[in-house]
Amino acid sequence: NAGVTQTPKFRVLKTGQSMTLLCAQDMNHEYMYWYRQDPGMGLRLIHYSVGEGTTAKGEVPDGYNVSRLKKQNFLLGLESAAPSQTSVYFCASSYGLAGGWFFGPGTRLTVL
Amino acid sequence: AQRVTQPEKLLSVFKGAPVELKCNYSYSGSPELFWYVQYSRQRLQLLLRHISRESIKGFTADLNKGETSFHLKKPFAQEEDSAMYYCALVYSSASKIIFGSGTRLSIRP
Repeated sequence: NAGVTQTPKFRVLKTGQSMTLLCAQDMNHEYMYWYRQDPGMGLRLIHYSVGEGTTAKGEVPDGYNVSRLKKQNFLLGLESAAPSQTSVYFCASSYGLAGGWFFGPGTRLTVL
Repeated sequence: AQRVTQPEKLLSVFKGAPVELKCNYSYSGSPELFWYVQYSRQRLQLLLRHISRESIKGFTADLNKGETSFHLKKPFAQEEDSAMYYCALVYSSASKIIFGSGTRLSIRP
C-alpha cells in the first residue's frame, strides 16, 4: 500500500497562473480532505469530501476548487494563484471519523 | 463554536524532564480527540486517540470533560520527541476534524 500520495511535491507559480494538486489514496477511504499549513496557524481545512462525487467547503475555501470524480482521488485546483496561497498543502483521508486521519507527504507551493 | 486551543507555540524542556503539552477544546457534543505529531519535514502521523486510552512512545493523554482539556504528557522527554504536535477534535456532525495551531516541542540535550 502506498497510503496517501500527493503530486507534485514542490511547485513555484507566478501570480495568476493555475495548477492542480492531486491526492491519491489506495485504502478505499470514503473521506478525503485538503489542508494548508502555515506558520503559527496550524492546519486549516480548505475543502473536503465525504464520498465520491461530493465536496464541501472548509474553513478557508476561497480561491480553491476541488473535485472527487473517483473515490481514490481528490483534486485541489487553484484557478488564479495569489502570493497568499504560498503554503504547504496536505491531503488526508479517513475511513471513518473515529479512525483517525492518514496524511500525505505534503506539497510545498510558492506563488511569486 | 467548535475550537481547539493549544496555548503554547513553543515548549522547550531538557532531556529527561517531564513534558506536558496543553490542549483545550470547545465542543457542544461528545468529543473525540486525537494527538498528531509531525517530525521535521515529514507528514503528520497519528500519535494517539482518546478512545483507545493507549500509550504511544511513552505519551499519554487523558480527556477531562470538566476542564474541556486533553493534555499530552510524557514523564521523561527524549531528544527524538522534538517535533510539532497538533491536538485535533472530530466535529462529527460536519464530518470533519479541527486542528489546533500546534505546539513545537524542543528537547534540549
